[in-house]
Amino acid sequence: GNSVTQMEGPVTLSEEAFLTINCTYTATGYPSLFWYVQYPGEGLQLLLKATKADDKGSNKGFEATYRKETTSFHLEKGSVQVSDSAVYFCALSTGPTGGGNKLTFGTGTQLKVEL
Amino acid sequence: GAVVSQHPSRVICKSGTSVKIECRSLDFQATTMFWYRQFPKKSLMLMATSNEGSKATYEQGVEKDKFLINHASLTLSTLTVTSAHPEDSSFYICSARFLGTGGYGYTFGSGTRLTVV
Repeated sequence: GNSVTQMEGPVTLSEEAFLTINCTYTATGYPSLFWYVQYPGEGLQLLLKATKADDKGSNKGFEATYRKETTSFHLEKGSVQVSDSAVYFCALSTGPTGGGNKLTFGTGTQLKVEL
Repeated sequence: GAVVSQHPSRVICKSGTSVKIECRSLDFQATTMFWYRQFPKKSLMLMATSNEGSKATYEQGVEKDKFLINHASLTLSTLTVTSAHPEDSSFYICSARFLGTGGYGYTFGSGTRLTVV
């Protein structure tokens, strides 16, 4: 079956620090990979995605590269801000267009950025 | 585009009563919607997949008689927590699948905080 493993949190960084949140996956077929962000008390928002190997998703300074050889999709940002404090979820779906019936989520990683 | 509106955002109900949560797609037709439950500091647990005009598909361990799902139109899915008990208190999130320019995507509601007292 499909599964997503994320690094344990919480992660606490100073503003302008470099961020990496690790994500690895196990999937049948060719999954699409996603990073979602959840701010306190809210639903999830799509941060970025990649649909095939070696694709790089990017948005708001965040990047993640689909690495098939290491089955990874690590999230990075060069300089975090206090406003980036949230919970980040790695997820995958399977299907020819990433339109599998459901998303499989990792456990989430809480990020706290301090001044 | 592809916006989902979820209501209410917060609800407090007495034990034994039922609560309905609505999830509406505002600018697209959602043939497939998903209902998740999120425990504090935990990931999202998929409860069921809701398909317009047919019965929902429940995940293992989820009581279908407890969590009633109705998807009677292409823009509305509802989750009714029947005979709620304090252990049903949680954060419930709906999601809809849509077809965009980059293929299929998933959009999420803002969640409903249910507290059963």
